[in-house]
Amino acid sequence: QVQLVQSGTEVRKPGASVRVSCKTSGYSFTSYEINWVRQAPGRGLEWMGWMNPSTGNTGYAQRFQGRVTMTWNTAIRAGYMELSGLRSDDTAVYYCARGDFDASGYFFDYWGRGTLVTVSS
Amino acid sequence: QSVLTQPPSASGTPGQTVTISCSGSTSNIGSRPVNWYQHLPGTAPQLLIYSNNQRPSGVPDRFSGSKSGTSASLAISGLQSEDEADYYCAAWDDSLNGYVFGTGTKVTVL
Repeated sequence: QVQLVQSGTEVRKPGASVRVSCKTSGYSFTSYEINWVRQAPGRGLEWMGWMNPSTGNTGYAQRFQGRVTMTWNTAIRAGYMELSGLRSDDTAVYYCARGDFDASGYFFDYWGRGTLVTVSS
Repeated sequence: QSVLTQPPSASGTPGQTVTISCSGSTSNIGSRPVNWYQHLPGTAPQLLIYSNNQRPSGVPDRFSGSKSGTSASLAISGLQSEDEADYYCAAWDDSLNGYVFGTGTKVTVL
């Protein structure tokens, strides 16, 4: 079955960087995109960007441009999201999600269980 | 600030039908399919409806989606206690060139 397993809780100081991993199994890694979505405490879901292991392309939400980098390692079927210049309002649960297409749309059909990132001095 | 607007809360008694609205614009809902996700706190979000009205395998037919113009709706019929969760609409936005989520609706079963 399709699984996305994320790395564990992280604590960082303001200004630092964090990298979250998403190890996949149960499907062809290069046939689907991986997206990253976060949820800050008391807030809704927020899309951060996507990466395509087949084409090598990435796309980031405007508000994260310059601070986020999404990469992958095809050999171990893992995706990574690195966020730099951390601020307290980056404290959130970060999710990876598999992106799929059908004839008309784009959607996230499988999700990881989330990684809590806490930014605190 | 999300570009897709949902009511913050909705509620109903067991067995009732609850409907959640999602209002967008021509650059997202008006030109792109809408998806809906169910999110229970502390768990992974789950795809509930994709491409406006399609249910993934395993999603009960109590959940249905529709779209008209720049708005979409999710209906939950035969409401059950396990339906208590947060629900988000979502779509690609051509102006932002990114995926956008709605503001989210918390459903309470009374």
